[in-house]
Amino acid sequence: AQSVTQLGSHVSVSEGALVLLRCNYSSSVPPYLFWYVQYPNQGLQLLLKYTTGATLVKGINGFEAEFKKSETSFHLTKPSAHMSDAAEYFCAVRFTGANSKLTFGKGITLSVRP
Amino acid sequence: NAGVTQTPKFQVLKTGQSMTLQCAQDMNHEYMSWYRQDPGMGLRLIHYSVGAGITDQGEVPNGYNVSRSTTEDFPLRLLSAAPSQTSVYFCASSAYGGAEQYFGPGTRLTVT
Repeated sequence: AQSVTQLGSHVSVSEGALVLLRCNYSSSVPPYLFWYVQYPNQGLQLLLKYTTGATLVKGINGFEAEFKKSETSFHLTKPSAHMSDAAEYFCAVRFTGANSKLTFGKGITLSVRP
Repeated sequence: NAGVTQTPKFQVLKTGQSMTLQCAQDMNHEYMSWYRQDPGMGLRLIHYSVGAGITDQGEVPNGYNVSRSTTEDFPLRLLSAAPSQTSVYFCASSAYGGAEQYFGPGTRLTVT
């Protein structure tokens, strides 16, 4: 069965530091990959997605992620953290196919220290 | 476009009561889903629909019913509420199976 793993539940970085949030998936075929962000008391908002083509994907708010098939990974990065980046981040996987379902990781809470 | 709307935003139920969480989208999306979010569990799929008249179970369907009579609406019914159903519920829609999902603002449900 498809699955997605986000290591750790909480990451804390200083303002201006690199943000790295890890995501690995299990699959024998490349899936569609997504990163969502959830700010407190809000719904989920799409940060970026990979479906086909270029493996380095740029999203909103300066985030990007690289699809690495050999490592079955889709880690999210941002060169310089802002206080406003503090939120919960979810990696999600969806296999190709008309009725495929979205499977979410358990989420990672990002804290940004002044 | 209002996107995906959910009502109510908050609800408190007593054990055994029933209620319906409403979800509507105005993007003409075929695919709609209901998730529940619990601390440390991520989002878990309850039920989903690939078009009007077609629904299927997700990962945690027990205690919930859905129907899809129109493209726009996808209500979630709790038949007999239990404390284990205390959660935040999100509705989402997408144009097709592999597309980006758009989420509603959520309904926070407490069952006492």
